[in-house]
Amino acid sequence: QKEVEQNSGPLSVPEGAIASLNCTYSDRGSQSFFWYRQYSGKSPELIMSIYSNGDKEDGRFTAQLNKASQYVSLLIRDSQPSDSATYLCAVRDAGGTSYGKLTFGQGTILTVHP
Amino acid sequence: EADIYQTPRYLVIGTGKKITLECSQTMGHDKMYWYQQDPGMELHLIHYSYGVNSTEKGDLSSESTVSRIRTEHFPLTLESARPSHTSQYLCASSDSHSGNTIYFGEGSWLTVV
Repeated sequence: QKEVEQNSGPLSVPEGAIASLNCTYSDRGSQSFFWYRQYSGKSPELIMSIYSNGDKEDGRFTAQLNKASQYVSLLIRDSQPSDSATYLCAVRDAGGTSYGKLTFGQGTILTVHP
Repeated sequence: EADIYQTPRYLVIGTGKKITLECSQTMGHDKMYWYQQDPGMELHLIHYSYGVNSTEKGDLSSESTVSRIRTEHFPLTLESARPSHTSQYLCASSDSHSGNTIYFGEGSWLTVV
């Protein structure tokens, strides 16, 4: 059973701070990793994808990947109240008949307070 | 931006009724998926399709069935709805020729009374 683990939170940070969201995964062969944001009652929206070890930056968001440690994280700089949502880590299955499917973590609830 | 549409968005039906949740995408994506998500809970894959006439069961057992007769269309059917089927159903698609990133529709909220 492939697993993706996240701290469910809630994670509460003040406006303007850095929010750090973490995710570990069990399938060592996984090559593709994604962060989705889901507002309450809405569908998941893709924020970032990362495929190589290291950091990938997009605006206020930075994804970090360490395949050796099977660890992926998302940093949100200058957090805003509008960033308050559930953040889902997703890992693409490594291959075989399950190629292309995503396994999702349980999500981390982030609350940014003014 | 993904063009993937689900209908109905909200549905309340009685136990024993047959329902079909529609999902269509206009992007020509070859892969399509159905996820189930209870409020505040994890997303679970219940069905997926790699192309026309290809359907597979997902990680979470579901009494629903799906079909993929056309590339753009991936409906989900419950022959006899029960209260335990109350949930949000999310349709998604991806293109294996351009990174396989999965995009979601807006979801269908089903309540069985």
